[in-house]
Amino acid sequence: SYELTQPLSVSVALGQTARITCGGNNIGSKNVHWYQQKPGQAPVLVIYRDSKRPSGIPERFSGSNSGNTATLTISRAQAGDEADYYCQVWDSSTAAVFGGGTKVTVL
Amino acid sequence: EVQLVESGGGLVQPGGSLRLSCAASGFTFSSYWMSWVRQAPGKGLEWVANIKQDGSEKYYVDSVKGRFTISRDNAKSSLYLQMNSLRAEDTAVYYCAAAGGYDLLWFDPWGQGTLVTVSS
Repeated sequence: SYELTQPLSVSVALGQTARITCGGNNIGSKNVHWYQQKPGQAPVLVIYRDSKRPSGIPERFSGSNSGNTATLTISRAQAGDEADYYCQVWDSSTAAVFGGGTKVTVL
Repeated sequence: EVQLVESGGGLVQPGGSLRLSCAASGFTFSSYWMSWVRQAPGKGLEWVANIKQDGSEKYYVDSVKGRFTISRDNAKSSLYLQMNSLRAEDTAVYYCAAAGGYDLLWFDPWGQGTLVTVSS
């Protein structure tokens, strides 16, 4: 089965840029989606199809995907961006796969 | 307002059964694939099951095959998860989520989740 690998944690200084990676075999050939989950809340979609932002998601959130790595970038990080972030793809078209999640801390 | 509201969670003994429900509003429920995703305490997200718009296709993660059944009632804009032979490792918050229109896409929106605890 397909596996996605994320770093356990990423720290970023207030106002700086955080990059969260999601590794998978030839992940560049798949559509990657990203979710933000704050403590005690349900996940929220922040990026779909590698780099598209749903309405209401700040432009500070961006995504890219190539080769074996997809990346979620948070520019000008704010305290409110502290959360767990999960990448997700579809394996064999019908089974969703999530990365293990990355905890983002804004210093 | 687009909304998904889960219900039916609770404490159940190992080997027991539980039926989760998810009520949808604010969008055309019958046009969407729907899914259940769970999250064990302190752990990451795990996909559980999908169901096609008309219920003709259903898919499950291996760990719940033969024990869980996903279903839907488009007339009631509702999604269900029948969980039998529950195990301690099924303890989790269970979220329902819309998973796309013409195809399985991304999960959006999500419900607020309902907690299932399997313990004696």
